[in-house]
Amino acid sequence: DIVMTQSPDSLAVSLGERATINCKSSQSVLYSSNNQNYLAWFQQKPGQPPKLLISSASTRKSGVPDRFSGSGSGTDFTLTISGLQAEDVAVYYCQQYYTTPLFSFGQGTKLEIK
Amino acid sequence: EVQLVQSGAEVKKPGDSLKISCKGSGYTFTNYWIGWVRQMPGKGLEWMGIIYPDDSDTTYSPSFEGLVKMSADKSISTAYLQWSSLKASDTAVYYCARGMGDLWGQGTMVTVSS
Repeated sequence: DIVMTQSPDSLAVSLGERATINCKSSQSVLYSSNNQNYLAWFQQKPGQPPKLLISSASTRKSGVPDRFSGSGSGTDFTLTISGLQAEDVAVYYCQQYYTTPLFSFGQGTKLEIK
Repeated sequence: EVQLVQSGAEVKKPGDSLKISCKGSGYTFTNYWIGWVRQMPGKGLEWMGIIYPDDSDTTYSPSFEGLVKMSADKSISTAYLQWSSLKASDTAVYYCARGMGDLWGQGTMVTVSS
Protein backbone atom coordinates (compact mmCIF):
# COMPACT_ATOMS: atom_id res chain seq x y z
CA ASP A 1 0.00 0.00 0.00
CA ILE A 2 1.13 3.54 -0.74
CA VAL A 3 0.83 5.74 2.34
CA MET A 4 0.27 9.44 1.78
CA THR A 5 1.42 11.85 4.49
CA GLN A 6 0.50 15.52 4.46
CA SER A 7 2.06 18.37 6.37
CA PRO A 8 1.07 20.36 8.25
CA ASP A 9 -2.16 18.95 9.72
CA SER A 10 -3.49 22.50 10.02
CA LEU A 11 -2.48 25.87 8.74
CA ALA A 12 -3.58 29.46 9.38
CA VAL A 13 -2.74 32.05 6.73
CA SER A 14 -3.67 35.72 6.38
CA LEU A 15 -5.94 36.82 3.56
CA GLY A 16 -3.93 37.59 0.44
CA GLU A 17 -0.94 35.59 1.61
CA ARG A 18 0.38 32.26 0.31
CA ALA A 19 -0.59 28.86 1.72
CA THR A 20 1.61 25.84 1.12
CA ILE A 21 0.60 22.25 1.81
CA ASN A 22 2.96 19.33 1.38
CA CYS A 23 2.28 15.71 0.53
CA LYS A 24 4.73 12.83 0.62
CA SER A 25 4.07 9.34 -0.73
CA SER A 26 5.74 6.22 0.66
CA GLN A 27 6.77 5.23 -2.85
CA SER A 28 7.01 6.99 -6.18
CA VAL A 29 3.77 7.73 -8.02
CA LEU A 30 5.60 8.64 -11.22
CA TYR A 31 4.79 6.37 -14.15
CA SER A 32 8.00 6.17 -16.17
CA SER A 33 6.15 5.05 -19.32
CA ASN A 34 4.36 8.40 -19.69
CA ASN A 35 6.32 10.55 -17.22
CA GLN A 36 3.12 11.41 -15.36
CA ASN A 37 2.71 11.69 -11.62
CA TYR A 38 -0.51 10.02 -10.49
CA LEU A 39 -1.20 12.56 -7.77
CA ALA A 40 -4.31 14.67 -7.24
CA TRP A 41 -5.41 17.41 -4.85
CA PHE A 42 -8.94 17.82 -3.51
CA GLN A 43 -10.69 20.58 -1.58
CA GLN A 44 -13.48 19.78 0.85
CA LYS A 45 -15.64 22.43 2.46
CA PRO A 46 -17.89 21.63 5.44
CA GLY A 47 -20.97 19.64 4.50
CA GLN A 48 -19.84 19.24 0.88
CA PRO A 49 -18.25 16.42 -1.10
CA PRO A 50 -14.61 16.74 -2.08
CA LYS A 51 -13.85 18.74 -5.21
CA LEU A 52 -11.02 17.85 -7.57
CA LEU A 53 -8.61 20.77 -7.97
CA ILE A 54 -5.52 19.30 -9.59
CA SER A 55 -4.57 16.02 -11.24
CA SER A 56 -1.28 14.72 -12.62
CA ALA A 57 0.36 16.71 -9.81
CA SER A 58 0.07 20.05 -11.61
CA THR A 59 -2.88 20.12 -14.05
CA ARG A 60 -5.69 22.31 -12.80
CA LYS A 61 -9.20 21.10 -13.49
CA SER A 62 -11.18 23.40 -15.74
CA GLY A 63 -12.78 26.20 -13.72
CA VAL A 64 -10.34 26.03 -10.81
CA PRO A 65 -8.85 29.48 -10.10
CA ASP A 66 -5.24 29.91 -11.15
CA ARG A 67 -4.24 30.87 -7.61
CA PHE A 68 -4.20 27.11 -7.00
CA SER A 69 -1.08 25.39 -8.28
CA GLY A 70 0.53 22.00 -7.79
CA SER A 71 4.13 20.95 -8.11
CA GLY A 72 6.47 18.09 -7.35
CA SER A 73 7.39 14.70 -8.72
CA GLY A 74 8.09 11.17 -7.57
CA THR A 75 7.33 11.18 -3.85
CA ASP A 76 7.16 14.86 -2.85
CA PHE A 77 4.40 17.23 -3.85
CA THR A 78 3.11 20.68 -2.94
CA LEU A 79 -0.19 22.50 -3.27
CA THR A 80 0.21 26.27 -3.26
CA ILE A 81 -2.62 28.76 -2.91
CA SER A 82 -1.38 32.21 -3.88
CA GLY A 83 -3.38 35.16 -2.60
CA LEU A 84 -5.58 33.34 -0.10
CA GLN A 85 -9.25 34.23 -0.24
CA ALA A 86 -11.91 33.66 2.41
CA GLU A 87 -13.62 31.01 0.27
CA ASP A 88 -10.45 28.89 0.30
CA VAL A 89 -11.06 27.87 3.91
CA ALA A 90 -11.40 24.11 3.65
CA VAL A 91 -9.67 20.80 4.24
CA TYR A 92 -7.28 19.81 1.47
CA TYR A 93 -6.39 16.21 0.61
CA CYS A 94 -3.78 14.72 -1.65
CA GLN A 95 -4.52 11.40 -3.32
CA GLN A 96 -2.41 8.91 -5.23
CA TYR A 97 -4.05 7.01 -8.07
CA TYR A 98 -0.88 5.21 -9.12
CA THR A 99 -2.21 1.93 -7.74
CA THR A 100 -5.30 2.03 -9.95
CA PRO A 101 -7.99 0.92 -9.29
CA LEU A 102 -7.23 1.35 -5.59
CA PHE A 103 -6.29 4.80 -4.41
CA SER A 104 -5.30 6.37 -1.10
CA PHE A 105 -5.64 9.81 0.45
CA GLY A 106 -3.48 11.83 2.77
CA GLN A 107 -4.91 12.56 6.20
CA GLY A 108 -5.96 16.08 5.21
CA THR A 109 -4.77 19.61 5.98
CA LYS A 110 -7.19 22.10 7.52
CA LEU A 111 -6.68 25.61 6.16
CA GLU A 112 -7.98 28.56 8.15
CA ILE A 113 -7.71 32.33 8.02
CA LYS A 114 -5.27 33.96 10.45
CA GLU B 1 -25.79 17.84 -16.59
CA VAL B 2 -23.09 15.38 -15.65
CA GLN B 3 -23.81 14.23 -12.10
CA LEU B 4 -23.89 11.45 -9.55
CA VAL B 5 -26.95 11.45 -7.30
CA GLN B 6 -26.94 9.36 -4.15
CA SER B 7 -29.81 8.00 -2.11
CA GLY B 8 -30.94 9.75 1.05
CA ALA B 9 -29.79 9.56 4.65
CA GLU B 10 -30.41 6.34 6.56
CA VAL B 11 -30.85 5.59 10.27
CA LYS B 12 -30.44 1.94 11.14
CA LYS B 13 -29.94 -0.34 14.12
CA PRO B 14 -26.91 -2.58 14.68
CA GLY B 15 -27.39 -5.83 12.79
CA ASP B 16 -29.62 -4.27 10.12
CA SER B 17 -28.86 -4.64 6.44
CA LEU B 18 -28.61 -1.66 4.10
CA LYS B 19 -28.09 -0.86 0.43
CA ILE B 20 -27.37 2.69 -0.72
CA SER B 21 -27.26 3.85 -4.31
CA CYS B 22 -25.44 6.19 -6.66
CA LYS B 23 -27.05 7.07 -10.01
CA GLY B 24 -25.03 8.57 -12.81
CA SER B 25 -26.40 10.78 -15.54
CA GLY B 26 -25.14 13.01 -18.31
CA TYR B 27 -22.32 10.68 -19.33
CA THR B 28 -21.79 7.08 -20.44
CA PHE B 29 -22.02 5.31 -17.09
CA THR B 30 -20.36 2.12 -18.31
CA ASN B 31 -17.19 3.91 -19.42
CA TYR B 32 -16.00 4.91 -15.94
CA TRP B 33 -15.19 3.17 -12.68
CA ILE B 34 -17.32 4.14 -9.68
CA GLY B 35 -15.50 4.29 -6.36
CA TRP B 36 -16.85 4.48 -2.83
CA VAL B 37 -15.31 6.62 -0.11
CA ARG B 38 -16.05 6.61 3.62
CA GLN B 39 -15.79 9.67 5.83
CA MET B 40 -16.38 8.99 9.50
CA PRO B 41 -17.55 11.92 11.65
CA GLY B 42 -14.84 14.58 11.82
CA LYS B 43 -12.35 12.36 10.00
CA GLY B 44 -10.63 12.11 6.62
CA LEU B 45 -11.41 10.29 3.39
CA GLU B 46 -10.97 6.53 3.08
CA TRP B 47 -11.09 4.78 -0.30
CA MET B 48 -13.24 1.66 0.09
CA GLY B 49 -13.10 0.14 -3.34
CA ILE B 50 -14.21 0.49 -6.90
CA ILE B 51 -16.52 -1.16 -9.44
CA TYR B 52 -16.57 -1.05 -13.23
CA PRO B 53 -20.28 -0.91 -14.11
CA ASP B 54 -19.89 -2.43 -17.56
CA ASP B 55 -18.87 -5.86 -16.24
CA SER B 56 -19.17 -5.36 -12.45
CA ASP B 57 -15.47 -6.02 -12.00
CA THR B 58 -14.84 -5.03 -8.39
CA THR B 59 -11.75 -4.34 -6.31
CA TYR B 60 -11.97 -3.73 -2.57
CA SER B 61 -9.49 -1.94 -0.37
CA PRO B 62 -8.07 -4.55 2.04
CA SER B 63 -9.57 -2.61 4.95
CA PHE B 64 -13.09 -3.12 3.59
CA GLU B 65 -12.85 -6.56 1.96
CA GLY B 66 -15.60 -8.79 3.33
CA LEU B 67 -17.30 -5.94 5.22
CA VAL B 68 -19.27 -4.41 2.34
CA LYS B 69 -20.44 -5.43 -1.11
CA MET B 70 -20.37 -3.27 -4.21
CA SER B 71 -22.62 -3.90 -7.17
CA ALA B 72 -23.98 -2.11 -10.21
CA ASP B 73 -26.96 -2.21 -12.56
CA LYS B 74 -25.80 -0.71 -15.82
CA SER B 75 -29.31 -0.77 -17.26
CA ILE B 76 -30.26 2.02 -14.85
CA SER B 77 -26.79 3.60 -14.50
CA THR B 78 -26.69 2.90 -10.79
CA ALA B 79 -24.02 1.61 -8.44
CA TYR B 80 -24.71 0.22 -4.99
CA LEU B 81 -22.95 -0.23 -1.68
CA GLN B 82 -24.43 -2.68 0.78
CA TRP B 83 -23.96 -4.10 4.25
CA SER B 84 -25.44 -7.36 5.55
CA SER B 85 -25.04 -6.52 9.23
CA LEU B 86 -24.34 -2.93 10.24
CA LYS B 87 -22.27 -1.92 13.25
CA ALA B 88 -22.20 1.37 15.11
CA SER B 89 -18.74 1.93 13.65
CA ASP B 90 -20.27 2.04 10.16
CA THR B 91 -21.73 5.46 11.04
CA ALA B 92 -20.29 7.78 8.39
CA VAL B 93 -20.93 9.72 5.23
CA TYR B 94 -20.44 7.56 2.16
CA TYR B 95 -19.56 9.16 -1.16
CA CYS B 96 -19.50 7.68 -4.62
CA ALA B 97 -17.01 9.13 -7.07
CA ARG B 98 -16.32 8.67 -10.76
CA GLY B 99 -12.92 7.26 -11.62
CA MET B 100 -10.19 8.81 -9.49
CA GLY B 101 -12.63 11.47 -8.28
CA ASP B 102 -13.33 13.98 -11.02
CA LEU B 103 -17.03 13.80 -10.17
CA TRP B 104 -18.63 13.09 -6.78
CA GLY B 105 -22.06 12.32 -5.42
CA GLN B 106 -23.48 14.51 -2.69
CA GLY B 107 -22.91 11.84 -0.04
CA THR B 108 -25.20 9.55 1.96
CA MET B 109 -25.17 9.85 5.75
CA VAL B 110 -25.56 6.46 7.42
CA THR B 111 -26.26 6.45 11.15
CA VAL B 112 -26.20 3.17 13.04
CA SER B 113 -27.49 3.41 16.58
CA SER B 114 -29.47 1.30 18.99
